[in-house]
Amino acid sequence: ETGVTQSPTHLIKTRGQQVTLRCSSQSGHNTVSWYQQALGQGPQFIFQYYREEENGRGNFPPRFSGLQFPNYSSELNVNALELDDSALYLCASSDRGYGYTFGSGTRLTVV
Amino acid sequence: QQQVKQSPQSLIVQKGGISIINCAYENTAFDYFPWYQQFPGKGPALLIAIRPDVSEKKEGRFTISFNKSAKQFSLHIMDSQPGDSATYFCAASINQGGKLIFGQGTELSVKP
Repeated sequence: ETGVTQSPTHLIKTRGQQVTLRCSSQSGHNTVSWYQQALGQGPQFIFQYYREEENGRGNFPPRFSGLQFPNYSSELNVNALELDDSALYLCASSDRGYGYTFGSGTRLTVV
Repeated sequence: QQQVKQSPQSLIVQKGGISIINCAYENTAFDYFPWYQQFPGKGPALLIAIRPDVSEKKEGRFTISFNKSAKQFSLHIMDSQPGDSATYFCAASINQGGKLIFGQGTELSVKP
């Protein structure tokens, strides 16, 4: 299977709840990054995983956490959701040294 | 110093015209400059990318011009088509696998 697959596509959560977003990397890609894209803005880097280890983090609080699994799929977890967490969450995978392939994202709405 | 500034915010071009989007950066450690195209409801898709050792790269109707001394780069879309209507993002990173710093985006509308 080619391409980056994200699930779910849309999600509505209540403030204070926790959410887990999932990403299946493109075949052969060992690096995964997560980005947050607010409406009308460019994506902002959350963190990156390389071979199951966190390999860089942007300016996001610790309630944003992640995992990468041996098959290079990944999860983004967000605890204690706030209204400002409403955004499109993008997963991007790469074979280190080559450019990123982005998924279509998960649209998270916090109410 | 990590910012990438993009202009214009929106652009309207007639079919067949040239679309030009500009970006500027501060961090001289950046060495990979991609452009992404994003349609509504989709993730960004890589369009074309350049490294600072060349001043221009062309792929089909898309050309990146790079000015290292001015720390600026631009995307030119020749013979713009209605199907090119999308949001375009410039980005920069330190090496091709590093985190991407995105510009704010340009919403391009090509009128028939």
